[in-house]
Amino acid sequence: DGGITQSPKYLFRKEGQNVTLSCEQNLNHDAMYWYRQDPGQGLRLIYYSQIVNDFQKGDIAEGYSVSREKKESFPLTVTSAQKNPTAFYLCASSVANWGFYNEQFFGPGTRLTVL
Amino acid sequence: AQTVTQSQPEMSVQEAETVTLSCTYDTSESDYYLFWYKQPPSRQMILVIRQEAYKQQNATENRFSVNFQKAAKSFSLKISDSQLGDAAMYFCAYRRGNTGNQFYFGTGTSLTVIP
Repeated sequence: DGGITQSPKYLFRKEGQNVTLSCEQNLNHDAMYWYRQDPGQGLRLIYYSQIVNDFQKGDIAEGYSVSREKKESFPLTVTSAQKNPTAFYLCASSVANWGFYNEQFFGPGTRLTVL
Repeated sequence: AQTVTQSQPEMSVQEAETVTLSCTYDTSESDYYLFWYKQPPSRQMILVIRQEAYKQQNATENRFSVNFQKAAKSFSLKISDSQLGDAAMYFCAYRRGNTGNQFYFGTGTSLTVIP
């Protein structure tokens, strides 16, 4: 089955530690995205990538880093510089044909809690 | 950044009745795409319906339909014959056409279905 996987589902981190969230897709999509979801704030874009080895900052990139070494994978690292990292993180992907109504497909999410 | 506004944080509907969720957006573009996503308690985001701005006809998917008013920049979602499984958070999203590689989401509306 084609889709997006995120692991782990739940993640606990001590303050001051970096942690990496995994996102893998087998949909052959060029574009991938990371969102943060907090209650009452909808989805806020952290980083996105349209092609391997290239990515752009979203609205709330501070304290996060990403890499895109393979088309299928777009891991997100939450660094110790992120002031309030406890949140639900969603990964998404899309066909990069912007002249068409291509939607985003989402993974199941990772709940990160900082202890 | 584009602005997408969902002014109803919470809505409720009686089972088998009809409910309308509102969404407005701010853009100076004429070519764009609009989406409604559903996020049930599992937190898996699912596409409900989509609309191309250049199409006058409102999109319909079974019990779900939209009222797209381009001049008013309004994109409401109507759910007919509401079912218990419709209970979820609903997010409205906007993407600019052609070169638009970012999706902008509203803050969501939590829908409760009363048996």
